[in-house]
Amino acid sequence: GAVVSQHPSRVICKSGTSVKIECRSLDFQATTMFWYRQFPKQSLMLMATSNEGSKATYEQGVEKDKFLINHASLTLSTLTVTSAHPEDSSFYICSAYRGSSYEQYFGPGTRLTVT
Amino acid sequence: DAKTTQPTSMDCAEGRAANLPCNHSTISGNEYVYWYRQIHSQGPQYIIHGLKNNETNEMASLIITEDRKSSTLILPHATLRDTAVYYCIVRPGGTGTASKLTFGTGTRLQVTL
Repeated sequence: GAVVSQHPSRVICKSGTSVKIECRSLDFQATTMFWYRQFPKQSLMLMATSNEGSKATYEQGVEKDKFLINHASLTLSTLTVTSAHPEDSSFYICSAYRGSSYEQYFGPGTRLTVT
Repeated sequence: DAKTTQPTSMDCAEGRAANLPCNHSTISGNEYVYWYRQIHSQGPQYIIHGLKNNETNEMASLIITEDRKSSTLILPHATLRDTAVYYCIVRPGGTGTASKLTFGTGTRLQVTL
């Protein structure tokens, strides 16, 4: 089946620094990828839709200058959390559709802890 | 997007069928019913989806009522590994930007010995 990977799986950073999270589709090309955030004991919240070769579309309330998304190729999207603060600590998950399949494949997630 | 309503939690004995209900009374004609599950600290996993006919795959069966206002996900022989949060989501067909998923609170299924 289709596989979506994320790197790193866990990251700890200091407040004020930036962190980049990679999302890769390993065996298919993804023109559209999605980024979600999940706080403890809560559901997934869509942050943005990443489109290959164009600007990302952010959901209401998500700061585009703080959460930079780049989708430079059909197999890679990156999320950079800039000037991270403790309240940005969360579980970040990406996903993608494989071709015309109606199944959205999710990555394993990245646990970000900001100290 | 149409909204869904699911019970907060359910228990099921291992080996028995787990029947997870979902109400989606405002579903539109072009919207599909999707089920995903999330095991603790992992990314969600696709289970099954359908439009109006009942569907079955190696993981589960999806029963959609004739008026499409509700559905039931059936795990025929639940195991401890099926313990997870199950999400019922409705969304239009397609794979582009407009086909994003909106997750509700889901049903926390606990499978017990």
